[in-house]
Formats: sequence, structure tokens, C-alpha cells
Amino acid sequence: GQQLNQSPQSMFIQEGEDVSMNCTSSSIFNTWLWYKQDPGEGPVLLIALYKAGELTSNGRLTAQFGITRKDSFLNISASIPSDVGIYFCAGQRNSGGSNYKLTFGKGTLLTVNP
Amino acid sequence: NAGVTQTPKFQVLKTGQSMTLQCAQDMNHNSMYWYRQDPGMGLRLIYYSASEGTTDKGEVPNGYNVSRLNKREFSLRLESAAPSQTSVYFCASSEGWGGRETQYFGPGTRLLVL
Repeated sequence: GQQLNQSPQSMFIQEGEDVSMNCTSSSIFNTWLWYKQDPGEGPVLLIALYKAGELTSNGRLTAQFGITRKDSFLNISASIPSDVGIYFCAGQRNSGGSNYKLTFGKGTLLTVNP
Repeated sequence: NAGVTQTPKFQVLKTGQSMTLQCAQDMNHNSMYWYRQDPGMGLRLIYYSASEGTTDKGEVPNGYNVSRLNKREFSLRLESAAPSQTSVYFCASSEGWGGRETQYFGPGTRLLVL
């Protein structure tokens, strides 16, 4: 099946630093999504990307849909303690009909030291 | 809008017991999903329902059954629980149209099978 390689697996940074994480795949995706999961909660959508080359921001977060359609990255600028959590990428290929299944990366655990 | 709700939040079962995890969404979404999340494994799709009246297997369906009761509700049943089914279970829903897939997740059910 399809697999997403998400890296790094974990990051430990100081408050104020910038963060970058990415996902790569051997398959082409039509959509890339980035989610954040806080401890004890479900994943929450941060950014959705629908076109190759698309660059989208959400506050201090910026994500890009790779030109090859096989990768995406997420940047967080000027990190703050509440950025702590697990970040997941997810890719979607059109499986036909009205349903579009997602493939998830294994997540990047971000720890921010105040 | 409550979004996606799940019950129960926590459950402890003995091996061989059965239980049903409930999920409901109030966003009038067509598609609903059940995932399990295990440490280091990311989110894996168990079953999904593209629309009311249809269900399909995902990546890890063995040991589970589902019912799409109506457009709002999608339940997951463990007929004979096994310790390998200890996990956090997430329900999600999406509009599922036009190739723009955005899944919204519930808060999760934490299940321990002894």
C-alpha cells in the first residue's frame, strides 16, 4: 500500500526557534493535509493543500505542496510552548466515486522548551 | 456545532468481551471513518463509509464490524476483544466531494483490553 515517510520523528527545540518537517512518498497525491494532535485529543486540521506548488499560511504555520506531488513540508516560525504536540501529514489520492481515503504519516513529536 | 462526538471516552474490557464504540457528526457529512492509533504507527484506517448505507474495509479491518446507522452515526463493534485491540480509536467525517478531502476528527476512545 501507499506509505508516507514523515521526518523527523521528533524534535526538541527552544522557544522562538523555527521548525521544519516534511513528508515524502513514492506515490503521487492530489491533496496534502497537515494535522496537529494535542495530548489526549483528536487530530485537528491545520492546513490543506490542493494544487502542486501551492504555498499556504495559517498564522505562524506555512505549508507547501511539492511540485512533484510526492512531498510536502510544514514550517512553524517563532515557536511557542503551545506548539507542543504531534504533527501529522496526510495525503489523499482520488479513489473514485465520492470517497477519498487518506494515508497518514507516522507523525513528528514536537517539544518546545520555554 | 459539536462536530464529531465519540462515546465512551475510556473503556476497559476483558479478553473475549464485546462492545460498540459510538460516533456521531452534526456537519451533514457524507463520509465517515474509523481509525486506530498505536504508538509509532500513526493513524490506520479500520473501516469507512462513503455514504449512508455503504461500508468498506480499510487497512486493518480484522476483528471489527461497523454499522452506518444513518447519515449522522457510524458505530464500530468489537465482537470478541483481544489485547491486540488495545488502542486509541478515532472517528472522523468528511464531505467527500470534488477531490477536496478534509477529515474532521472526534476526541477519541481509549480502549484497554486485558
